[in-house]
Amino acid sequence: GQQVMQIPQYQHVQEGEDFTTYCNSSTTLSNIQWYKQRPGGHPVFLIQLVKSGEVKKQKRLTFQFGEAKKNSSLHITATQTTDVGTYFCAGPTGGGADGLTFGKGTHLIIQP
Amino acid sequence: NAGVTQTPKFRVLKTGQSMTLLCAQDMNHEYMYWYRQDPGMGLRLIHYSVGEGTTAKGEVPDGYNVSRLKKQNFLLGLESAAPSQTSVYFCASSRDPIYEQYFGPGTRLTVT
Repeated sequence: GQQVMQIPQYQHVQEGEDFTTYCNSSTTLSNIQWYKQRPGGHPVFLIQLVKSGEVKKQKRLTFQFGEAKKNSSLHITATQTTDVGTYFCAGPTGGGADGLTFGKGTHLIIQP
Repeated sequence: NAGVTQTPKFRVLKTGQSMTLLCAQDMNHEYMYWYRQDPGMGLRLIHYSVGEGTTAKGEVPDGYNVSRLKKQNFLLGLESAAPSQTSVYFCASSRDPIYEQYFGPGTRLTVT
C-alpha cells in the first residue's frame, strides 16, 4: 500500500536557526497536506498543496510540492519557541474513502 | 462552532473492562475517522465512516468496534480492553476524503 515517509524523525535546533522537514510518497499524490501538533495537543491543519512545483508561504513557513507530486518539504526560517511540535505530512490514500496516509512526523525541539 | 469534540479526555481501565469513546462534530461532515497515536508510530487509522449508518475498517481495527447512528456522532468501543490499547485516540472529520481533516482534542487511555 501507499507509504508516506518523513525525515528526519527528530530535529534539535537553536532558537533562530532554520528547520526543514522532508516528505516522500511511494505514489503520486493529488495533493499534500501539512499538519502541526503541539506537545500534548492534537494535529492542526496548516496547508494543502495541489499543483506540481507549487510553493506556498505562511509567514516564516515555506511549503513546497515536488514536480513529480511525490515529495514535499516544509522549511521554517528563524525558528521560535512557538514552533515547537511535531509536523506531519499527509496525502490521500489512493483516492479511497479512508482519507489520508500520514507520515510519522518530524519532532522539532528548540533550544533557547 | 465547537468543531470536533471528544469525551472523555482521560480514562484509566483495567484489563477486560469495556468503554465507549464519543466523538461529535458540528460541521456537517460526511467523513469521520478514529486514529490511535503511539510514540514513534504516527497516526494509525482504526475505523472510518463515509456517512450515517456506514463504517469500515482501517489499518488497525482489531479489538475495536464503531457505530455512526447519527451523522454528527462517531463512537469507538473497546469490548475487552488490553494493555496494548493504551494510547491517545483522536477523532477527525472531513468534508471529502482527500481534503483537510479536523481533529478533536484526543482521549488519553491507559489500560492496566
